[in-house]
Amino acid sequence: DGGITQSPKYLFRKEGQNVTLSCEQNLNHDAMYWYRQDPGQGLRLIYYSQIVNDFQKGDIAEGYSVSREKKESFPLTVTSAQKNPTAFYLCASERTGGIYEQYFGPGTRLTVT
Amino acid sequence: GEDVEQSLFLSVREGDSSVINCTYTDSSSTYLYWYKQEPGAGLQLLTYIFSNMDMKQDQRLTVLLNKKDKHLSLRIADTQTGDSAIYFCAESIFGAGGATNKLIFGTGTLLAVQP
Repeated sequence: DGGITQSPKYLFRKEGQNVTLSCEQNLNHDAMYWYRQDPGQGLRLIYYSQIVNDFQKGDIAEGYSVSREKKESFPLTVTSAQKNPTAFYLCASERTGGIYEQYFGPGTRLTVT
Repeated sequence: GEDVEQSLFLSVREGDSSVINCTYTDSSSTYLYWYKQEPGAGLQLLTYIFSNMDMKQDQRLTVLLNKKDKHLSLRIADTQTGDSAIYFCAESIFGAGGATNKLIFGTGTLLAVQP
């Protein structure tokens, strides 16, 4: 079965620690995205990548970093510089060209105390 | 600027039709989408409509697009308790060269279906 996996589903960290969220897809999609979701708000774009070894900042990139060393993987690191890291993080992938459809993973809920 | 607005909450009885509304601001959007999110889960793409269409029907779902008013709606016929979820509309903003599809999401509408 093709799809997007995110791990872990729940993550707890102490303030001041960096943490990396995993996102893997086997859909052979070129583009991948990271979004943040807060209660009562829509999704906000953190980073996106169109191809391997290339990525761009989204609307709220401060305090986050990413890498795209493989087509299948797009990990997100939440650094200690992110002031309000507690949120639900969603990864998506998209086949570019033709009809543009973003497919989402199940999400990771990060709680920082 | 880019902004997508939705009402926050809708309550319907099982078997009734639900209509979820959305307004967007970017007239250059090529695609408009509806996503469904169940509690604690990711988003599931329900349907989309091209900006040159007025209506799209897919089983119990009907999407209506009024480009003049920048208004999008999702009608769910014969609403079931399993339809209870948050529904997001999103408009597409293409980056330079049209290679990247950036989605602008609304705040989501919580649909509660009463048995």
